[in-house]
Amino acid sequence: AQKITQTQPGMFVQEKEAVTLDCTYDTSDQSYGLFWYKQPSSGEMIFLIYQGSYDEQNATEGRYSLNFQKARKSANLVISASQLGDSAMYFCAMREGWNTGNQFYFGTGTSLTVIP
Amino acid sequence: DGGITQSPKYLFRKEGQNVTLSCEQNLNHDAMYWYRQDPGQGLRLIYYSQIVNDFQKGDIAEGYSVSREKKESFPLTVTSAQKNPTAFYLCASSLAGVRNEQFFGPGTRLTVL
Repeated sequence: AQKITQTQPGMFVQEKEAVTLDCTYDTSDQSYGLFWYKQPSSGEMIFLIYQGSYDEQNATEGRYSLNFQKARKSANLVISASQLGDSAMYFCAMREGWNTGNQFYFGTGTSLTVIP
Repeated sequence: DGGITQSPKYLFRKEGQNVTLSCEQNLNHDAMYWYRQDPGQGLRLIYYSQIVNDFQKGDIAEGYSVSREKKESFPLTVTSAQKNPTAFYLCASSLAGVRNEQFFGPGTRLTVL
């Protein structure tokens, strides 16, 4: 079974609008971390936001927020007030507890295009 | 400034030649990783290392080899056994623990002619 599932290969959003990128995960660990990364066309991977499994509040970082629904095993990224520079690939990732050796699991990504 | 460097940025090799991609970090991270990314695709794990002199195969290790003789360095060799080596290669490192994110290098784009 896939550890991380991103079901939206491509998304479009109007500039200044909000957009939600979906991510579901699969784990039996109680302790895990969820991460979102942005990859512009240059190829660099930029860390955006982190959510811990024990965190009671949804994480926020500037225009990025994470809609964490633990019972549904979803960790959707919300980008508010989209900008042209937000056009990129977005990857959801998970890191489980110590017994899996520090490995990260990545989804297949969502390509976001911001329309002027 | 702390970070991860990968060199070179672009690499061209003839088919059948082995090639080594460099990855160096000065973040004092124990764990290091190599990923392969094909156009429009996600990241696939090649190898990872939790400590010096120890490494584990990822999902697509065949045709690749690594070494971890120093904490700062984790070079990847793409051997002639790798059937389709043309791809974008990303190196990353992290501290231990579920709260710590991966830091990525700028990547090496390998083209085999």
